[in-house]
Amino acid sequence: GQNIDQPTEMTATEGAIVQINCTYQTSGFNGLFWYQQHAGEAPTFLSYNVLDGLEEKGRFSSFLSRSKGYSYLLLKELQMKDSASYLCAVGQAGTALIFGKGTTLSVSS
Amino acid sequence: SAVISQKPSRDICQRGTSLTIQCQVDSQVTMMFWYRQQPGQSLTLIATANQGSEATYESGFVIDKFPISRPNLTFSTLTVSNMSPEDSSIYLCSVVGLAGALTGRPTDTQYFGPGTRLTVL
Repeated sequence: GQNIDQPTEMTATEGAIVQINCTYQTSGFNGLFWYQQHAGEAPTFLSYNVLDGLEEKGRFSSFLSRSKGYSYLLLKELQMKDSASYLCAVGQAGTALIFGKGTTLSVSS
Repeated sequence: SAVISQKPSRDICQRGTSLTIQCQVDSQVTMMFWYRQQPGQSLTLIATANQGSEATYESGFVIDKFPISRPNLTFSTLTVSNMSPEDSSIYLCSVVGLAGALTGRPTDTQYFGPGTRLTVL
């Protein structure tokens, strides 16, 4: 079956670093995606990994280990506006992404 | 300007009625999907909208309840039929295949419309 696991909730303070983990077991794999979704808004694309290793984009980085079925999203220098849900999703060629249930991150001052 | 638009952005409907949601994309895309997101939940795929043929529905969703059209490569509609309060949700259109040259991102990336917030009384 298809299974994507990520923590339900996380909390952190402004300026801190937070790592959101995602493990997956899927029948196919065509990349690992991370999306950010603020309350009441649509998900927006953050990052994509298809090869093992770390992809860095400013304050956000994403890591993938295909052999372990594992990814994480690293957020540095947290800001209040980073409070949102973060969705891990696995791509499978020719079909829709499979989404995890999302991790709600609350950033406090 | 927005690349993906949805109409209406929100609606309040009476039980037993139907609502058609439109999704329009500024450029041709290979795939279009419809999702539902109930309050506090993640995204649930309803169906893949196929151009010129019947949509492909996920388990638990049927054509009689959620008829879908996709007459061309830039437009799709989702109808929520015979609504009940349990259908209150956000409905999201998603597309794959926005030109990588324009976005600089992998062509498998899914992009979401702004969503339609539906409340059924």
